[in-house]
Order: sequence, then structure tokens, then C-alpha cells
Amino acid sequence: RKEVEQDPGPFNVPEGATVAFNCTYSNSASQSFFWYRQDCRKEPKLLMSVYSSGNEDGRFTAQLNRASQYISLLIRDSKLSDSATYLCVVLDAGGYNKLIFGAGTRLAVHP
Amino acid sequence: DTGVSQDPRHKITKRGQNVTFRCDPISEHNRLYWYRQTLGQGPEFLTYFQNEAQLEKSRLLSDRFSAERPKGSFSTLEIQRTEQGDSAMYLCASSPLGPQHFGDGTRLSIL
Repeated sequence: RKEVEQDPGPFNVPEGATVAFNCTYSNSASQSFFWYRQDCRKEPKLLMSVYSSGNEDGRFTAQLNRASQYISLLIRDSKLSDSATYLCVVLDAGGYNKLIFGAGTRLAVHP
Repeated sequence: DTGVSQDPRHKITKRGQNVTFRCDPISEHNRLYWYRQTLGQGPEFLTYFQNEAQLEKSRLLSDRFSAERPKGSFSTLEIQRTEQGDSAMYLCASSPLGPQHFGDGTRLSIL
């Protein structure tokens, strides 16, 4: 079983749609979680951290459910520029702060 | 540009050749990471340096791979006797005690 699992997509949505991505992680000792965004043939970039209480950054909302070991990302009012791969990331609980990535979920927003 | 810098951006080589990649982290970031990303997958951790000390190596890092960070600043990743399966994007990231910042990566293609 992979440590971080995501639905690979692709999600094809029209502009203005709301889309949600889900992610599960296997290590219950994990403490820190992130969503990264990766454009085609580019490096991953931090989109947002995920906090236990849930957090919002503009059109993006991240949620964490520790009991279910489940993380989500909601994007409201999708823009063409949101088209990218969204990577669910868990900070390794074993120390040294290495990141454990899911395989990513592709999002394509069309006009 | 004060971001993480990687060189070269692209490397094409024949199977069996040796290759070396360089990473210049953000200055004063004492933590440096190497990851590898293959098509359709998220980045996978390879190795971690804190200053000049290599503190963790993934089992993905076979004997053909070696990484150094001699003065605690830039780092090199060398692959000896390259194989087809080494074709991937090699990503470097650096951080203080916080989020990791990724470089543009070196895309390696083995002919």
C-alpha cells in the first residue's frame, strides 16, 4: 500500500466549477500535511499547508481528518489557470522532514 | 534569482555513461534534499543533507548513486553506469526549518 494515495484523475471541469480532491495517508503518526501544485514539466510549488481545524486561502480550502487519515482540497470558482497536477504531501514522521508525495491528481479546467 | 538552482536543466546520455547534477540551494538553507520523479508519479525522496552531513539515504539510492555536499552549500548527485530506469526528473529542494523550496529540476533521458 502506498503511503499517500490520491485519485489520479484527470478531473475535467468548466470554468467556475467547484472541484474537490481527496487523499489518504497510511502513517497515523504523521503530523504535517501540505498540498503542492505542479505545472507540466515544472517543479512542485507549495500551495498550502493543511491544519487540523481546516484552513482557507482565497478560493482554496484544505481539510484534515486525522481519525480517518484523510486530507482534502476544495477549489471554488475554478479558473483556467488552476489547470495543473495537485500533489498531496505528508511530512515523514520519522524525522529529517522528508516529504512523502502522492502521485498527484490532474485538473483540467476548460472554457 | 535567489531560488534553488539546478544544472543542467536537461541531460541526454547513452546507457552506461556517468552523469553528475548540481544543486545550489537558497543561501543559508542548511537542509538540502534530492528527489526523483518519474512520469505520472509524485517525487520520491532520495537523500537528505544537513549542512555537509548526509543524514538519510533512501533504498532507491543504489550503489550507482552518490551525493555530496562538501562545504554545506551546493550539492552534487552522480549516477554511474546509467540505466534506462534512471530516466526521470531529479529535483533538489532546500529549507531552513520549514517548507521545502524546489529547484526547476534536471530532466535525465537515457538513450
